Amino acid sequence: NAGVTQTPKFQVLKTGQSMTLQCAQDMNHEYMSWYRQDPGMGLRLIHYSVGAGITDQGEVPNGYNVSRSTTEDFPLRLLSAAPSQTSVYFCASSAGGAGNTEAFFGQGTRLTVV
Amino acid sequence: GDSVTQMEGPVTLSEEAFLTINCTYTATGYPSLFWYVQYPGEGLQLLLKATKADDKGSNKGFEATYRKETTSFHLEKGSVQVSDSAVYFCALRSGGSNYKLTFGKGTLLTVNP
Repeated sequence: NAGVTQTPKFQVLKTGQSMTLQCAQDMNHEYMSWYRQDPGMGLRLIHYSVGAGITDQGEVPNGYNVSRSTTEDFPLRLLSAAPSQTSVYFCASSAGGAGNTEAFFGQGTRLTVV
Repeated sequence: GDSVTQMEGPVTLSEEAFLTINCTYTATGYPSLFWYVQYPGEGLQLLLKATKADDKGSNKGFEATYRKETTSFHLEKGSVQVSDSAVYFCALRSGGSNYKLTFGKGTLLTVNP
């Protein structure tokens, strides 16, 4: 039972490089989200999607793009990496319908921008 | 907007000690409340939840009661184990905002043998 799968687990980028963090879920969940986790800051929402073809910005969207062409996949793109984007990134998914539904998280991607 | 304030750590306890991690919230409407746990090197996983006032969520010996009058959802465990060492996050989803989880900053718990 795979759940939410994120790749890669670790990545080092140089300033200005671009890359895509992959996220896939096999639970047929409508809702998917990207968070970043920084020391002392908790988890902050970057972008989210309520279904295929629908995305919206979260709390800290600058420097990131997303798309949702299928229910299963929700990639996060860094267009031009900056040291401030050094963080641990988590993808999450949840079923729709009610505010009490559980969110399932991937194992995270640890990104370092030098 | 929605916000969650939880006790800042780190918290260090001896095995079998009593644990309380305080969590208070601000939200519009009637939120659902959650505690998530993050073990070292892993993603977050749901520990327990409560969806309406006076509900008690419980799992693995942990409990939290949804207190609307004090806007609180404190996490408790009567006797902690070394294996409970982790980061604990309080979170909420406000009514009608199904896709947005708002998190507290997390509390690192270390339990020593």
